[in-house]
Amino acid sequence: NAGVTQTPKFRILKIGQSMTLQCAQDMNHNYMYWYRQDPGMGLKLIYYSVGAGITDKGEVPNGYNVSRSTTEDFPLRLELAAPSQTSVYFCASRPNLDRPNYGYTFGSGTRLTVV
Amino acid sequence: AQKITQTQPGMFVQEKEAVTLDCTYDTSDPSYGLFWYKQPSSGEMIFLIYQGSYDQQNATEGRYSLNFQKARKSANLVISASQLGDSAMYFCAMRVTNAGKSTFGDGTTLTVKP
Repeated sequence: NAGVTQTPKFRILKIGQSMTLQCAQDMNHNYMYWYRQDPGMGLKLIYYSVGAGITDKGEVPNGYNVSRSTTEDFPLRLELAAPSQTSVYFCASRPNLDRPNYGYTFGSGTRLTVV
Repeated sequence: AQKITQTQPGMFVQEKEAVTLDCTYDTSDPSYGLFWYKQPSSGEMIFLIYQGSYDQQNATEGRYSLNFQKARKSANLVISASQLGDSAMYFCAMRVTNAGKSTFGDGTTLTVKP
């Protein structure tokens, strides 16, 4: 099925370890996003991309890095994991700006615990 | 900067009744879109409904409607004939038209009672 695919679904990291959260979409969407959701809270934007080769910071970028080498993929890199990065991470995508009534299509999320 | 406020952390509604979830927003941009998303206990995020700032009529999608009051900067979600499957967390979000990124509220947890 078409959509946004995130891997892994669950991960436990030790403090100081690094990992990459994978995100891929097959809808040819230019816009892609990474959000984090802390327990009982809303979504905070980490990074986003308006197309291959273009990325920008969101509200909470510290401790994360992204790259966008293709339209389909938008991986999120965590360097030196800290307990404050324990959260659920959502990747999302949407079509171009000429379709303003399109909401995001979300992946199923990655639940990350840093111990 | 854009801000979304959802003042109801939790709401209860009886099955088959209607419920209104509140959302107020703040922006100085004249062109923007307002969105509602549903997050069931399984965790996925589902797009429900959209309202553009220049739309003259309130948006409707099946049992969902958006009560848009531009002067008051409110975009409340109305769910008619509530069902048990409507129990979920609901998020209001806003996107300035040329910005590409959305700002989310903290959500309202809706519980539908049988």
